[in-house]
Amino acid sequence: EAGVAQSPRYKIIEKRQSVAFWCNPISGHATLYWYQQILGQGPKLLIQFQNNGVVDDSQLPKDRFSAERLKGVDSTLKIQPAKLEDSAVYLCASSSSLAGVSTGELFFGEGSRLTVL
Amino acid sequence: GIQVEQSPPDLILQEGANSTLRCNFSDSVNNLQWFHQNPWGQLINLFYIPSGTKQNGRLSATTVATERYSLLYISSSQTTDSGVYFCAVEMDTGNQFYFGTGTSLTVIP
Repeated sequence: EAGVAQSPRYKIIEKRQSVAFWCNPISGHATLYWYQQILGQGPKLLIQFQNNGVVDDSQLPKDRFSAERLKGVDSTLKIQPAKLEDSAVYLCASSSSLAGVSTGELFFGEGSRLTVL
Repeated sequence: GIQVEQSPPDLILQEGANSTLRCNFSDSVNNLQWFHQNPWGQLINLFYIPSGTKQNGRLSATTVATERYSLLYISSSQTTDSGVYFCAVEMDTGNQFYFGTGTSLTVIP
């Protein structure tokens, strides 16, 4: 079974530029998450999708971050304009869980490491 | 929100030694997972363990949900066990997992 796929693995940009990350979850997983992991810390949720709807985006800095999952499969996370403090690893995860209905195991991709200069 | 604390924060072991990592959480949880983050940053699933005890080779985990803690046991540690170990808890069914502060493990030959 293929795992969670992410790209690019690494990205270096200058502040005020834009960047986009892509994620393809495990086949059949309804729920997709984007986490941000700053060096030395645990992952922090940015946004959770169930199919193509948003379950939780309360911690997404909406003035610069946006995410979509248009057909309920792949997802894209965009940052525009980037700030120095956005340097982090962006982790995509998927699960068979359904909010309020059932739980499931969380599986992560390899992550996309962003450096903002 | 829920607080998830792990101890110890850092651990250095000689190869072959055993260790116990702890995860305490401040509220009732629906689910709990243990992950190993390798030096390349990949989060590897170790255990999906809302309650009870599970074993996988040299690793085992126990969650006592009523007392709000989970333990990860590593026996006969190897250098490849180095990395950061995270526990993550799910409060509400099907919603986000909250991550602990992590335990950084270094196994020296």
